[in-house]
Amino acid sequence: GDSVTQMEGPVTLSEEAFLTINCTYTATGYPSLFWYVQYPGEGLQLLLKATKADDKGSNKGFEATYRKETTSFHLEKGSVQVSDSAVYFCALKGYGNKLVFGAGTILRVKS
Amino acid sequence: DAMVIQNPRYQVTQFGKPVTLSCSQTLNHNVMYWYQQKSSQAPKLLFHYYDKDFNNEADTPDNFQSRRPNTSFCFLDIRSPGLGDAAMYLCATSRAGTGGHEQFFGPGTRLTVL
Repeated sequence: GDSVTQMEGPVTLSEEAFLTINCTYTATGYPSLFWYVQYPGEGLQLLLKATKADDKGSNKGFEATYRKETTSFHLEKGSVQVSDSAVYFCALKGYGNKLVFGAGTILRVKS
Repeated sequence: DAMVIQNPRYQVTQFGKPVTLSCSQTLNHNVMYWYQQKSSQAPKLLFHYYDKDFNNEADTPDNFQSRRPNTSFCFLDIRSPGLGDAAMYLCATSRAGTGGHEQFFGPGTRLTVL
């Protein structure tokens, strides 16, 4: 079945550091790919998405490119802020209406 | 703003005492989902409604039930909460289809079982 694997955390960075959170997927067909962010005590918010190969999703300085050849959708940001501290979930949506989530990666940014 | 609303944000119940969590949406989406999220874990899908069609996940305990009286509202009923049911419960909505329609999440209800 479909699955998503993301790098384990927590990831701890200093402010203004470069961020990469790796995400790879296994799916039949051509899924849509998403990154969601969850701040403490809140629900999930869509950060960005890509619906086909080579699409780049971007939002709030975050980017991720749908790489079909490597089945990856890595999240990057050039300069993180303390306010980016949260849990980040990679997810795919294949056939049907369901999301398949990765385990989540905790990001901690120190000032 | 169109949104997904969950009430209450925090719910405390006693072991074995039935509890109902509420979700409403102003997005007019035809799919609504209920997830259970335990600490430091990914959300786990319990069930979803595609319009009025109920779709239960195979591993969702019978203790969990749901109702969707109309497009806007969906309820999660826990018939006899156990200590293991303490978690954050997330409601989400989306348009139907296999395209890139994202799910929109509510803020969640944190359930405590005493």
